[in-house]
Amino acid sequence: SAVISQKPSRDICQRGTSLTIQCQVDSQVTMMFWYRQQPGQSLTLIATANQGSEATYESGFVIDKFPISRPNLTFSTLTVSNMSPEDSSIYLCSVVGLQSNEQFFGPGTRLTVL
Amino acid sequence: GNSVTQMEGPVTLSEEAFLTINCTYTATGYPSLFWYVQYPGEGLQLLLKATKADDKGSNKGFEATYRKETTSFHLEKGSVQVSDSAVYFCALMYSSASKIIFGSGTRLSIRP
Repeated sequence: SAVISQKPSRDICQRGTSLTIQCQVDSQVTMMFWYRQQPGQSLTLIATANQGSEATYESGFVIDKFPISRPNLTFSTLTVSNMSPEDSSIYLCSVVGLQSNEQFFGPGTRLTVL
Repeated sequence: GNSVTQMEGPVTLSEEAFLTINCTYTATGYPSLFWYVQYPGEGLQLLLKATKADDKGSNKGFEATYRKETTSFHLEKGSVQVSDSAVYFCALMYSSASKIIFGSGTRLSIRP
């Protein structure tokens, strides 16, 4: 299984600022995704992080609000831009390994926007 | 479109009780089905999975069978423990896209 780390693990931010979340995997993976879990809710896919090209966003999510980078096979970043209290959520990175179609999730980044 | 519907929570049971959490799905084709668990203060973990009809996934005493005829993947455990208290998510995935669609989650609390 893949070991995934996310930084920061949690943060408290002011309205109008931006936060970049990092996701690092200990092995090469085929696909990387970013999910959001709002308080008391299920997980919603934000986008697929594509290596070396623009991310593929799900309905309701746009690049200007959630810019994503994936410079190589083991690292990705998600930025939450111009934050508002409605962005308070847990943001999770997930990956699909090279050897199987199983998806592994990172520990999440708990974001609180004041 | 594709979707997952699971039993509303919260569910509260006494220790050693029998557990069923219902999950049904709507999908074209033959997705893989999963149960994920999120223990308090921890990340999301894969509990079990099934990749084709009539497959039974099992782990830690939990079981779920992929029922194509009823489009269901109900989670069961014969005797729950306090340590099973967590939020359980039913989910489906198509291999080609690897996108996971999650159900709404069911919070399970077990009384000693």
